[in-house]
Amino acid sequence: AQTVTQSQPEMSVQEAETVTLSCTYDTSENNYYLFWYKQPPSRQMILVIRQEAYKQQNATENRFSVNFQKAAKSFSLKISDSQLGDTAMYFCASFLRGNTPLVFGKGTRLSVIA
Amino acid sequence: DGGITQSPKYLFRKEGQNVTLSCEQNLNHDAMYWYRQDPGQGLRLIYYSQIVNDFQKGDIAEGYSVSREKKESFPLTVTSAQKNPTAFYLCASSVTGPNQPQHFGDGTRLSIL
Repeated sequence: AQTVTQSQPEMSVQEAETVTLSCTYDTSENNYYLFWYKQPPSRQMILVIRQEAYKQQNATENRFSVNFQKAAKSFSLKISDSQLGDTAMYFCASFLRGNTPLVFGKGTRLSVIA
Repeated sequence: DGGITQSPKYLFRKEGQNVTLSCEQNLNHDAMYWYRQDPGQGLRLIYYSQIVNDFQKGDIAEGYSVSREKKESFPLTVTSAQKNPTAFYLCASSVTGPNQPQHFGDGTRLSIL
């Protein structure tokens, strides 16, 4: 089975500091798509950033950036200048094969501390 | 504004009862999905549909049923065969294609009385 693994169930960071959330995945495909979603306490799922596997350049969206290491099958999320509003569950997800639905990791609960 | 509407927000089920969760979207998306979220389990796929009148089982379809009679609607029925239905249920939709992100509703919390 195709899998997405988030090895950090919980993390915390001081406000204004930088934090990196880890994600690894397993696929035999050469072209696929990776996503990070944020789920704040309201439980709404919000797309944070996406990466296409055939693109070498790491995706960036304001304070959010990824470190995509294709050979290592690693897709980490870096949050710079952390803000209290970044407190949420973060899910890594991927289309790993063909036209099948997204596969999600189990999530990392991030707490930003004032 | 376009979006996905799930109702109700909270739902209670008695033992042996079937309940139906509603999911409606006005984004003109072909694909729709149902996920179950439990603490520490992430999102697990129940059913998905990529076109009207067609749907496929996900990883945890047992005890659930769906229909897709209209493009806009993808209701999920939690049957009495689902022995542990207490969870948070999320509906999503997307344009068909592997590079298309899924858009989510606000979820339904189902509890057993």
